[in-house]
Amino acid sequence: DTAVSQTPKYLVTQMGNDKSIKCEQNLGHDTMYWYKQDSKKFLKIMFSYNNKELIINETVPNRFSPKSPDKAHLNLHINSLELGDSAVYFCASSSRPGQASNGAFFGQGTRLTVV
Amino acid sequence: AQKVTQAQTEISVVEKEDVTLDCVYETRDTTYYLFWYKQPPSGELVFLIRRNSFDEQNEISGRYSWNFQKSTSSFNFTITASQVVDSAVYFCAPGGSTLGRLYFGRGTQLTVWP
Repeated sequence: DTAVSQTPKYLVTQMGNDKSIKCEQNLGHDTMYWYKQDSKKFLKIMFSYNNKELIINETVPNRFSPKSPDKAHLNLHINSLELGDSAVYFCASSSRPGQASNGAFFGQGTRLTVV
Repeated sequence: AQKVTQAQTEISVVEKEDVTLDCVYETRDTTYYLFWYKQPPSGELVFLIRRNSFDEQNEISGRYSWNFQKSTSSFNFTITASQVVDSAVYFCAPGGSTLGRLYFGRGTQLTVWP
């Protein structure tokens, strides 16, 4: 059973479109994250939710909107996609914000290509 | 905020060689955690190790070992008798005790040649 699963794994879309990436974790964790990995492999946090509440919101264009219907799911919706949004997006989860000691478990990533 | 430097962008070794990946971090937190992740060519991020800032005991796990030195803010990773399957990008990532976010280094691309 996959602990953190993202769909889709690959997403190719045209500029200007709106798309969503879904993430689910079955670890019973309270906290979920979205990270973005650029073409140079640099990983940076975008958002974090704890029990459906937004706790981290980095400097991300407001075209990106996370949504957490429950603590096991954290979806990422992107409006008006731009070429620069092309990247690999990773979902992750951990037990509690203050329990960073447990590390984060990552999904397999979603490779988004905007053409 | 925290900062991490992985000065080695790329390392190439021949199989069975030992290799050490360097990681130097900066943090204002008194309590923090340090992680290493592996990203093989398939792209997933694999958790390797967690270290607490108050525990400087070095750790060995099979062919992997970690050397944590708080005085120099370094958390280096050594692979003994490297294998081709070790070829991957390795990330060092300090994490604060609050919010749970990880700050990733730029990664070190390790290539092990047969």
